[in-house]
Amino acid sequence: EVQLLESGGGLVQPGGSLRLSCVASGFTFSSYAMGWVRQAPGKGLEWVSVISGSGGSTYYADSVKGRFTISRDISKNTLSLQMSRLRAEDTAVYFCAKGSGGAVTASFDYWGQGTLVTVSS
Amino acid sequence: DIQMTQSPSSVSASVGARVTITCRASQGISTWLAWYQQKPGKPPKLLIYAASSLQSGVPSRFSGSGSGTDFTLTISSLQPEDFATYYCQQANSFPLTFGGGTKVEIK
Repeated sequence: EVQLLESGGGLVQPGGSLRLSCVASGFTFSSYAMGWVRQAPGKGLEWVSVISGSGGSTYYADSVKGRFTISRDISKNTLSLQMSRLRAEDTAVYFCAKGSGGAVTASFDYWGQGTLVTVSS
Repeated sequence: DIQMTQSPSSVSASVGARVTITCRASQGISTWLAWYQQKPGKPPKLLIYAASSLQSGVPSRFSGSGSGTDFTLTISSLQPEDFATYYCQQANSFPLTFGGGTKVEIK
């Protein structure tokens, strides 16, 4: 059974940093792209970032480029999102999601429950 | 960037009704389209990938069609558990983009 368990969310001041983690199980972690998708309170879904199965390729939404860094530790089956210079508009539930195929451009077939990030003073 | 436009933004329907949701891409995306269902407080669930392929475990009353720029999600006979918000997503190119969502409500 595929499981994705996020952690690391919380309250942070504008300009601060936070690191989200997602521990994956139930599939061969290195064979699939992984991504982060966020959802601001009461709003729709917004893609944030994707990393290839090997970790060699990363992609970001313009809204987070230069501030967020996605990475993966294959030995620990863990996906991470390092977020810095956080803004109020980054406030959202952040979902970890598994790519449905080997390609980095893909749909997401499994999702974690999400972790809430609140940026406020 | 490829813009994804869903319509309607909300629909009110009765149990047993046929519901169709439309998603239009601002440029051609072949069949690189997915549909998700999301219920309040829950993560999205993949229903359809590659425009028309049913994800494993998803009931056959859900179907998808289309290619290029115009796509539809059809629920052939709406069930109580189908009341939710539905999103399309293009998987053709970065940045990946989602439609604004369609809320299916009880009539």
